[in-house]
Amino acid sequence: SQQGEEDPQALSIQEGENATMNCSYKTSINNLQWYRQNSGRGLVHLILIRSNEREKHSGRLRVTLDTSKKSSSLLITASRAADTASYFCATRRYAGGTSYGKLTFGQGTILTVHP
Amino acid sequence: EAQVTQNPRYLITVTGKKLTVTCSQNMNHEYMSWYRQDPGLGLRQIYYSMNVEVTDKGDVPEGYKVSRKEKRNFPLILESPSPNQTSLYFCASSSSGGYGYTFGSGTRLTVV
Repeated sequence: SQQGEEDPQALSIQEGENATMNCSYKTSINNLQWYRQNSGRGLVHLILIRSNEREKHSGRLRVTLDTSKKSSSLLITASRAADTASYFCATRRYAGGTSYGKLTFGQGTILTVHP
Repeated sequence: EAQVTQNPRYLITVTGKKLTVTCSQNMNHEYMSWYRQDPGLGLRQIYYSMNVEVTDKGDVPEGYKVSRKEKRNFPLILESPSPNQTSLYFCASSSSGGYGYTFGSGTRLTVV
């Protein structure tokens, strides 16, 4: 079952604009992670936010987490053509038991940044 | 260089012929996992391992086996592959549940 659902499914913007992607999930989580995938290649971990955190920054990336709404957003500021990729959120269940090993991905958002 | 290495990168096989996809990591990570990625279905977890000899099913374990006899290796075994197992497979590892996964480059498997 898919834990995370991203919105929108596809996003097309111009270089320099900001890109915002949203993720919703269903169960209690320990942390939420964002990954990037360039066409058909391996995923690259971007940022992790823990359930007791509300906002986190890394370079041009800003992630927010609202556990009451079970949602997260990823903001990429001043986007570049090189940011063109698929972006996935992934949730890790709450610590305890073997389910802690499960990291469940959403369907992803395809971001296209036009030069 | 810290990495997760999968082999082979590409594989075409016939229905029913047993195969193994190898995965190795050089980061001394406890957690390892296998995913398959299919158009429209995203990434789905097949199996994961929290340490040597500790494995558990993910969301789509049917038709697959894994073993974790050494910390660095986590092979994926298809005892009798079928065409519906045609997919892009990824192995990944992390040092604990509180950290992100490092992914391998993927194995594109075609079963005819």
